[in-house]
Amino acid sequence: DQQVKQNSPSLSVQEGRISILNCDYTNSMFDYFLWYKKYPAEGPTFLISISSIKDKNEDGRFTVFLNKSAKHLSLHIVPSQPGDSAVYFCAASDSGGSNYKLTFGKGTLLTVNP
Amino acid sequence: DTGVSQDPRHKITKRGQNVTFRCDPISEHNRLYWYRQTLGQGPEFLTYFQNEAQLEKSRLLSDRFSAERPKGSFSTLEIQRTEQGDSAMYLCASSLAGRKTGELFFGEGSRLTVL
Repeated sequence: DQQVKQNSPSLSVQEGRISILNCDYTNSMFDYFLWYKKYPAEGPTFLISISSIKDKNEDGRFTVFLNKSAKHLSLHIVPSQPGDSAVYFCAASDSGGSNYKLTFGKGTLLTVNP
Repeated sequence: DTGVSQDPRHKITKRGQNVTFRCDPISEHNRLYWYRQTLGQGPEFLTYFQNEAQLEKSRLLSDRFSAERPKGSFSTLEIQRTEQGDSAMYLCASSLAGRKTGELFFGEGSRLTVL
């Protein structure tokens, strides 16, 4: 049973445009959400996070939006750059972010074309 | 480089053999985690330590798997009597307890292939 779902295995965008990556979850106990980025042959690296008490968090070109009622979050990257090409994982935890036990989605491969 | 390091990066073994992976976390981090990632999936939680204490184990961690962190520093993950279904990337991560972001720092992983 997939508690965190990334329904788009891949996404392709042009450099300079917006990339929108989506994530849905089913577990109402999740209260903290994170996005990780993974390049080939490297481990995942943390990108941005959001607590369930917020609906938006922004860090430079990256913004995460949370819609609790819809159990949906999205990551916006604007403007997209070729170096953003990677697999993006959505993850969730149920212990307020101080947690260890993250549940990951399957990932979305983002390709940013020059 | 003071990131999380894992060894070996690749291991090919025959079914039934034992394998051991080592993880060296970021030095000041007191939490250490093991995750497993199979092809086309996201990482799945296996177990975690706070200092030397193993505080939780996933049901994915069968009795053929054992993890230790004897002095609260490096950790080992041993798989006994390997099966083809154990083929995966084994990821280690570390963090500092009390940090609010929940950010884990991952190593590059140890890829296991069981023939």
